[in-house]
Amino acid sequence: KQEVTQIPAALSVPEGENLVLNCSFTDSAIYNLQWFRQDPGKGLTSLLLIQSSQREQTSGRLNASLDKSSGRSTLYIAASQPGDSATYLCAVKEGPGTYKYIFGTGTRLKVLA
Amino acid sequence: ETGVTQTPRHLVMGMTNKKSLKCEQHLGHNAMYWYKQSAKKPLELMFVYNFKEQTENNSVPSRFSPECPNSSHLFLHLHTLQPEDSALYLCASSRTDVSARGTGELFFGEGSRLTVL
Repeated sequence: KQEVTQIPAALSVPEGENLVLNCSFTDSAIYNLQWFRQDPGKGLTSLLLIQSSQREQTSGRLNASLDKSSGRSTLYIAASQPGDSATYLCAVKEGPGTYKYIFGTGTRLKVLA
Repeated sequence: ETGVTQTPRHLVMGMTNKKSLKCEQHLGHNAMYWYKQSAKKPLELMFVYNFKEQTENNSVPSRFSPECPNSSHLFLHLHTLQPEDSALYLCASSRTDVSARGTGELFFGEGSRLTVL
């Protein structure tokens, strides 16, 4: 049974720091992995989607990598800003025909001004 | 604006009330989902519809009744709820045509915050 873990659960960093958020999954047979951002009381905003055949995706200051063999993905945020404060979640999709996305519990990030 | 719209954003109801949550997607997707998000728990998948046919019911109590009249609209009918059902209910959609690149990306609405008194 696929399990997705995100450590740490919470993180505080000073503004301007580069940081890495981690996502681990137990079964490497995934179809894709998606990173989301969630602001308090709001829905999830898709940040990056990495297909199983890809190693990384970039969008602005965000870079997500995927290492299926080790069951890991990282989300790199460059030059963090207070506006990056949010909860970041990752989710894996196990196959093209499945509708199940397995979510981690998220990392709550606070960037201090 | 993600292309998935949920109403109402906030709902307070008594245990004997009947209410409905509505979701509409403007992305041309074929699959629509209801998720429940409670404090300090991972997102819980409740229901999935593909081309308006239910494909997943994740052992959800019958006091939650989904309805999907077409691929763009999804409802969650609520009746005789319990206080522990208070949560953020999230609607999502995706495209599952495996012949296209980049499919499987999940898009969420802003959620409906439900409080059951």
